[in-house]
Amino acid sequence: QSVLTQPASVSGSPGQSITISCTGTSSDVGGYNYVSWYQQYPGKAPKLTIYDVSNRPSGVSNRFSGSKSGNTASLTISGLQAEDEADYYCSSYASNGDVLFGGGTKLTVL
Amino acid sequence: QVQLVESGGGVVQPGRSLRLSCAASGFTFSNYPMHWVRQAPGKGLQWVSVISSDGSNKYYADSVKGRFTISRDNSKNTLYLQMNSLRVEDTAVYYCARDPELVPNYYYYMDVWGKGTTVTVSS
Repeated sequence: QSVLTQPASVSGSPGQSITISCTGTSSDVGGYNYVSWYQQYPGKAPKLTIYDVSNRPSGVSNRFSGSKSGNTASLTISGLQAEDEADYYCSSYASNGDVLFGGGTKLTVL
Repeated sequence: QVQLVESGGGVVQPGRSLRLSCAASGFTFSNYPMHWVRQAPGKGLQWVSVISSDGSNKYYADSVKGRFTISRDNSKNTLYLQMNSLRVEDTAVYYCARDPELVPNYYYYMDVWGKGTTVTVSS
């Protein structure tokens, strides 16, 4: 059982927007702006997509955005493209120094 | 280019030990904290451990505490994970990853990942 809760799957059509939620507690997601998101294709290493809740690393499309409200962080992908089909994981710093991951969300582009 | 290459994985019996290595290149290894993250077959990512840039601070997930030891040799640009008393549930792909340490002494995200090395614990 993962400590951060994500939906197992989400789907959307090309051009649409989708949002993936990530729910923790006040000791992790809610207590710090240290939430990150990773994209992972099957058989590949994860790739950093968002850090510090809403910052995009260089090279990541501006179609990816992040936000947070209370104990829940969110990743939004706008203008869905076929190449966005992948697994997405949220992560957060925890008060005991641990790093927590969500269980992952499989994004299907219809 | 910035690169991390893991090695040392393999098939091992329960209760035995294994040491993973992660060779870094293309950046100043001694400036960055480093993580180990694992992924069991068909499962999600699980953080394992982190070590500060100078090796003085180390944190472990509860599931490996007391069995795994993270270390680094900055003169060799290499990160290690010594895994003892291995269990079937330790079977996973193990990734090493770099932490940019945007906030001093807070280790919480990974901007560069290796391709992983597979550890299988089975009798």
